Amino acid sequence: QKEVEQDPGPLSVPEGAIVSLNCTYSNSAFQYFMWYRQYSRKGPELLMYTYSSGNKEDGRFTAQVDKSSKYISLFIRDSQPSDSATYLCAMKRGNTGGFKTIFGAGTRLFVKA
Amino acid sequence: EAEVAQSPRYKITEKSQAVAFWCDPISGHATLYWYRQILGQGPELLVQFQDESVVDDSQLPKDRFSAERLKGVDSTLKIQPAELGDSAMYLCASSKGPQGADTQYFGPGTRLTVL
Repeated sequence: QKEVEQDPGPLSVPEGAIVSLNCTYSNSAFQYFMWYRQYSRKGPELLMYTYSSGNKEDGRFTAQVDKSSKYISLFIRDSQPSDSATYLCAMKRGNTGGFKTIFGAGTRLFVKA
Repeated sequence: EAEVAQSPRYKITEKSQAVAFWCDPISGHATLYWYRQILGQGPELLVQFQDESVVDDSQLPKDRFSAERLKGVDSTLKIQPAELGDSAMYLCASSKGPQGADTQYFGPGTRLTVL
């Protein structure tokens, strides 16, 4: 069983829709939770970073963490064609030398104009 | 805005050949990571450096892969000999430190194709 599970999609939505992306995890040792956006043939860029359970909002993006259910979500409001990318969830747990980041497989999102 | 630099951006090689990738982290970042991302999957850590020391290379195939960060700044990842299954994106990332709150910044990656 993978430590982090993420549906690879693809997910196709019309412009302006609310997008919901999700990940589940099995290891309660994860302490930090991130969402990265990756455009085709580019490196991942950090979108959201949370530590505790609850919601964190940044513009059109809201990250939600539910540690009791081992479930994290990313919501995108008023989605735009420029949001079309792969969204990777990632989580950090303690490791030798600090913390280790485990990534989900990524969900491919297409926003149609 | 400071960025992580990687070269080359693309590399095509034949199996059994040697390849090398270079990474220059953001200035002042003590922690450097090499990840491998196979198409359709998330990045997987190959090796983590703290300054010039390796702190995690548990997933590095040491029979063919090597990594170094001699002066604690830039780093090189080498594969010798390359195999067909090594075709992937190789990503370098850096952070100020190894702690949970330290953000990792990724470079553009090197896409390797092994023929």
